[in-house]
Amino acid sequence: GQSLEQPSEVTAVEGAIVQINCTYQTSGFYGLSWYQQHDGGAPTFLSYNALDGLEETGRFSSFLSRSDSYGYLLLQELQMKDSASYFCAVMDSSYKLIFGSGTRLLVRP
Amino acid sequence: NAGVMQNPRHLVRRRGQEARLRCSPMKGHSHVYWYRQLPEEGLKFMVYLQKENIIDESGMPKERFSAEFPKEGPSILRIQQVVRGDSAAYFCASSAVAAPGTDTQYFGPGTRLTVL
Repeated sequence: GQSLEQPSEVTAVEGAIVQINCTYQTSGFYGLSWYQQHDGGAPTFLSYNALDGLEETGRFSSFLSRSDSYGYLLLQELQMKDSASYFCAVMDSSYKLIFGSGTRLLVRP
Repeated sequence: NAGVMQNPRHLVRRRGQEARLRCSPMKGHSHVYWYRQLPEEGLKFMVYLQKENIIDESGMPKERFSAEFPKEGPSILRIQQVVRGDSAAYFCASSAVAAPGTDTQYFGPGTRLTVL
């Protein structure tokens, strides 16, 4: 079967750093993506890793280890507006995205 | 450049009625994907279409659900004889190409379907 595992909830304080992990088991792998979704909103693309290593985009970084079927999203200098759900997603061999169940991030003042 | 457009944003239907959800991809995008999201859950793939072709419908229920992406006009997700379990948010995404690693799927605002 195909599955992605990520923590259901994470809490952190404003200004801190938080890491959201994702492990996956899929048939075919073309890359790991991360999406942010605020309540009632649409998923917004954050980052994509096709190769091992770290990709940095501003306050957000994403890491991938294909040999470990593992990746993470790192959020730095947390802001209140970062409170949202974060989904990891794998593009499988037929180009569709397989999503994890999401991690709800709560940023406290 | 307008993003992915979906309408209606909210749709209320009674059990047994039909629901039609529309999606206009971003300009220049010819690949459309439909996903369903139940409350507090992740998005589940339903169907992948290109113009006039269904490429992958492995996530679509065999009965009552159909999708199309005609040569002209938006992609349509059609749900016949809706039941309460169909209540969910339905998101459409589009991409310019499907080659892995070269493009990203961009999501529309979604249609929130409520079945009474």
